[in-house]
Amino acid sequence: DTGVSQNPRHKITKRGQNVTFRCDPISEHNRLYWYRQTLGQGPEFLTYFQNEAQLEKSRLLSDRFSAERPKGSFSTLEIQRTEQGDSAMYLCASRPDGWGFYTDTQYFGPGTRLTVL
Amino acid sequence: SQQGEEDPQALSIQEGENATMNCSYKTSINNLQWYRQNSGRGLVHLILIRSNEREKHSGRLRVTLDTSKKSSSLLITASRAADTASYFCATDAGIQGAQKLVFGQGTRLTINP
Repeated sequence: DTGVSQNPRHKITKRGQNVTFRCDPISEHNRLYWYRQTLGQGPEFLTYFQNEAQLEKSRLLSDRFSAERPKGSFSTLEIQRTEQGDSAMYLCASRPDGWGFYTDTQYFGPGTRLTVL
Repeated sequence: SQQGEEDPQALSIQEGENATMNCSYKTSINNLQWYRQNSGRGLVHLILIRSNEREKHSGRLRVTLDTSKKSSSLLITASRAADTASYFCATDAGIQGAQKLVFGQGTRLTINP
C-alpha cells in the first residue's frame, strides 16, 4: 500500500501523559499536513511542512504540541501533558509540490484516534 | 474556526435517488474540494474545482461553484448504499501553494436500501 500511513491507529492515555503519533506520507510528496478533527466537526488545520521545514502553525497548536519532520520524510506530532480536550482524531495528509490537479489534491491517512481519560 | 457551513447537516434518502449537498464559505478561494469520510476513517478526495471553473463532473458526481455567492454544491446521482458517509467541502484560501484546507462541518448522508 503506497498511501499515507499513520501509527498508532488508536491511543488511549491518561491526562498528563505525553503521546507521540507518526505519519508516513506518500514517498514522493514534499508537503505534509496535520489536522485535528473532533466528533461531529470537520478537520481543522494544525501545521504543515515543506520537506523538513515547518512553514506554518495554527493558533490551535499550543506550546504543548510539537511537530517534526527531521529528514523530510515521516513526521511526528507530540502532545505533552495531555488534557481531556485533546481527545480527537489526528489526521495527516500529504501532496506533491507545485500546482495542478494532482499536486493540489491532499491525500489523507486513516488518522490516529486519541482518547485522554 | 470553520470557513463556512454545509447544508443540510444530515440527509437521508432512498437508494437510487439523487443527493445534493451545499457548502458556503466566507473568503475568496483558490479552489474548493469535496471529501468523503466513512465513520471513524480518513478522508477520501472526491473532486476539486478551481475558482475560475463553474462546474465539474466525475462519474456520478457533479460539483458546481458560484464564487459570486461563495457557494458550492455536490450532487450524487443514482445513490447507492455505499455512498453512506459524511461529506465535507474544503476551501484553499491561502497563499497559492500553501494549501491549508479549511473544512466545513460536513453533511452526514444516509442511503436507505
